[in-house]
This record gives sequence, C-alpha cells and structure tokens, in this order.
Amino acid sequence: GAGVSQSPSNKVTEKGKDVELRCDPISGHTALYWYRQSLGQGLEFLIYFQGNSAPDKSGLPSDRFSAERTGGSVSTLTIQRTQQEDSAVYLCASSRYRGDTYEQYFGPGTRLTVT
Amino acid sequence: LAKTTQPISMDSYEGQEVNITCSHNNIATNDYITWYQQFPSQGPRFIIQGYKTKVTNEVASLFIPADRKSSTLSLPRVSLSDTAVYYCLVGTGGFKTIFGAGTRLFVKA
Repeated sequence: GAGVSQSPSNKVTEKGKDVELRCDPISGHTALYWYRQSLGQGLEFLIYFQGNSAPDKSGLPSDRFSAERTGGSVSTLTIQRTQQEDSAVYLCASSRYRGDTYEQYFGPGTRLTVT
Repeated sequence: LAKTTQPISMDSYEGQEVNITCSHNNIATNDYITWYQQFPSQGPRFIIQGYKTKVTNEVASLFIPADRKSSTLSLPRVSLSDTAVYYCLVGTGGFKTIFGAGTRLFVKA
C-alpha cells in the first residue's frame, strides 16, 4: 500500500518568508509525528498528534512553528518568518498502535533551504 | 522519557557480525526498546522492537538482559549496504519519541 508522502520534496525560500510543508500519513494511522534533521545530526522531535487528542507541541523550537492535522489525516507544518537556522530536512512519520508494537513509518522528508 | 546512550560510530568489514549496544539505565516498566536504521537522504526505517530477553527477525536480533538497562542490536554477516545510522529508542507507544544521535556504522569491503 501507499506509504507516508511529503510535499514538496525540496523547498528553497528567502529569509523572512513563510513556508508550509505537507504530510499525508498512511491511511488508518492515528498517530502522526514531525521531526527535523539538520545535516549530519540526529532527529529532533517537533510535534506529535494522536487521534483527536490535543497535540504534544513540546518540541516546537519557537512560536514561528505551528502544525495542524485536519480530519485526523493530512498534516501541515508551517514555519513563519523563516530563518537560516531553519534549514534542515523535515520528516513526517505515522504509526498505528498494534498491540505491543507501534512502528513508525517515515516519509521521504522535505529539504528546506533558507537563503 | 528514558535517555539512551550508544556509541557514536563503529567500523566493520563485510561478512562480520556487528553488535551495537545501547544503555538505558532509567528505562521504565512499560517501556519498549526499538531500533531504527537510517540511510543517507532517507527517513528512518523500523528494524526491531523488544521488551525483554531476545527477539529475532529476518534482519536482526535484539538481546535484552534481565535488568533491561541495556540492549544489544546484532546484525549478522553485514554487507556494504548495512552502512547506515542506527538509532536506539526507549518508550511506549502513543507518546512523543526521542531519537538520539545514533550510531554510524561503516561497513568496509
């Protein structure tokens, strides 16, 4: 079946502009995660959605970052007034609790470059 | 969330068995141990998950001692294509997850 998809695959923007990154999770997956990965670094947790519960936003680095998930499916990560330090690969993952496993399926990521 | 510690990098040769150990001294009773693999320019991929003792699948084995304060990912007979970053995670499903820096495995011919 279809995996997690993300768009765009690459985004180049000027400092100060707003950007929107999209994630389409696997159908039926109730949990959705956003991570950020800078070059050569590990993954940095940003935000987590689970069903209709309030999202866990504890990883968002500043109030310039926000995310929403509409209808329990598609999610959009918005970065306002982008800065050069926002340049990174933004990864989305989804999962479905299956008994004692909760494997996360990752999308290919969106590479954001702020010039 | 339990913190994990794993080696920054490891080198191996094709055909060898590779063991990567992860320390998680503060693991909670309900926590599972999960390993992911990440190739360059790709998102991480689930390898294996366990709670205690030993788990084996077609890709790897996971050894967990009785005190569960550490775990060892074992990759049998690695090939060049196993060169990747390996992440050890500890936690339960349904919450945010923390990926550390991972272990960079270099497999040489």
